[in-house]
Amino acid sequence: EVHLVESGGGLVQPGGSLRLSCAASGFTFSTYWMSWIRQAPGKGLEWLANIHDDGRETYYADSVRGRFTISRDNAEDSLYLQMNTLTAGDTAIYYCARHILYQWTPSDWGQGTLVTVSS
Amino acid sequence: QSVLTQPPSVSAAPGQKVTISCSGSGPNLGNNYASWFQHLPGRPPKLLIYDNNKRPLGIPDRFSASKSYTSVTLAITGLQTGDEADYYCGTWDTSLDAWVFGGGTKLTVL
Repeated sequence: EVHLVESGGGLVQPGGSLRLSCAASGFTFSTYWMSWIRQAPGKGLEWLANIHDDGRETYYADSVRGRFTISRDNAEDSLYLQMNTLTAGDTAIYYCARHILYQWTPSDWGQGTLVTVSS
Repeated sequence: QSVLTQPPSVSAAPGQKVTISCSGSGPNLGNNYASWFQHLPGRPPKLLIYDNNKRPLGIPDRFSASKSYTSVTLAITGLQTGDEADYYCGTWDTSLDAWVFGGGTKLTVL
């Protein structure tokens, strides 16, 4: 069974940084593309970034390009999201998601981790 | 403003059928497969439809979808109160090099 567990969320001050992690199990992590997606309070889903299986190809939403960095450690079956220069607008539940094999579609999602940016 | 346009809300009675539309443009729905997601309160989103009209294992055939070039439609038949959720369409946008979601549609089962 696919299992994705996000961690690293919490309260951070504006301008601060946070690193989210996503521990994967139940599948061959190194084979799958992965994404980070968030939902701000009262808002819809917003895709943030994805990374291909070997980590050499990444894509970002305009809203986070240059501030957020997606990465992965296939030896540790883990996905990461480094978030810098955070603002109140980054307050959201952050989900990691596994894609359908070799496709752009996020198919299996973790439970999410809450990030709150506030002074 | 979402690249994909969905109605904010739809409603129907239990047992009835409802459809949710999603409109895009050439670089997204015109060139790529569409997906649909169900987001129940307090739960992570769930993939309902991928590749325009395919259902993942475990998704009942009450959920179906169709596509006509730059528009896609999700249909839910035999509505149940448990279907009350937010529904999102999504696809890859070739010009943005980004995955895009619709703004979401809140389904109310009256």
